[in-house]
Amino acid sequence: DTEVTQTPKHLVMGMTNKKSLKCEQHMGHRAMYWYKQKAKKPPELMFVYSYEKLSINESVPSRFSPECPNSSLLNLHLHALQPEDSALYLCASSPQAGTSYEQYFGPGTRLTVT
Amino acid sequence: SQQGEEDPQALSIQEGENATMNCSYKTSINNLQWYRQNSGRGLVHLILIRSNEREKHSGRLRVTLDTSKKSSSLLITASRAADTASYFCATDDVTGTASKLTFGTGTRLQVTL
Repeated sequence: DTEVTQTPKHLVMGMTNKKSLKCEQHMGHRAMYWYKQKAKKPPELMFVYSYEKLSINESVPSRFSPECPNSSLLNLHLHALQPEDSALYLCASSPQAGTSYEQYFGPGTRLTVT
Repeated sequence: SQQGEEDPQALSIQEGENATMNCSYKTSINNLQWYRQNSGRGLVHLILIRSNEREKHSGRLRVTLDTSKKSSSLLITASRAADTASYFCATDDVTGTASKLTFGTGTRLQVTL
C-alpha cells in the first residue's frame, strides 16, 4: 500500500472553532510532514516528524498544533484560525527524514476559514 | 531563502510535442527532486537527482542538473493530455537543515489535443 490518506477532504470552520486534520500511511515510513499550499503557489513546509518526534517547526503560529500519536498517524489540530489560513493542507511521508528520499503525498485537505 | 525559481511560469503545447521547464536555485545542494501536481491534488514524485549526477531518465522524463549554474531542467518528451499539471522542483540546502525540501515556484503545463 503506497498511499497516504487524509481526512477530511474539505473543511469549513469558523474562527472560533477547533478542528483536526488527520493523515495516515501504512508504508512503514518514519518521517511525516505537513505542508500548506495557497492557490497557485508552491507547498510550504510547516512541520516534520521523524520517528514520532517533532524535528522541524517552520515557525508556524501556535494556532496550528501537530501531533504524531504513532508511526502511522499524523494529526494537525486547528484552533482560532484566521481567514488567511485558508489553503490546501498536504501531508506527506518518506522512509526516513532527509532529502535523499522521495516524499509520498496525500490528496490534501482543502480548508476554508470563515 | 533557497526557493527555486521556475521558468516558464506557464507553458502550453500540443500533444506529441516536447516540454522543457527549468529550475534555478540559490545555494549549493545535495539533492534536487521534481514533482507533479494535478489541479488541487497531492504531489507525485517524478525524479530525484543527486548533486554528483548530471542527468537521469525515467520513461519519457529526462532531468539534467548543472551545479555550476545552479540549475536543473525537466524534459517531457512526446507529451500527452494527461501530462497537464503543475511541475515543481524541490531542493535542499547544504548550508541549512538537511531534512528540508524547499519547493520552487512551479511551471503550469497545459497539453492540448
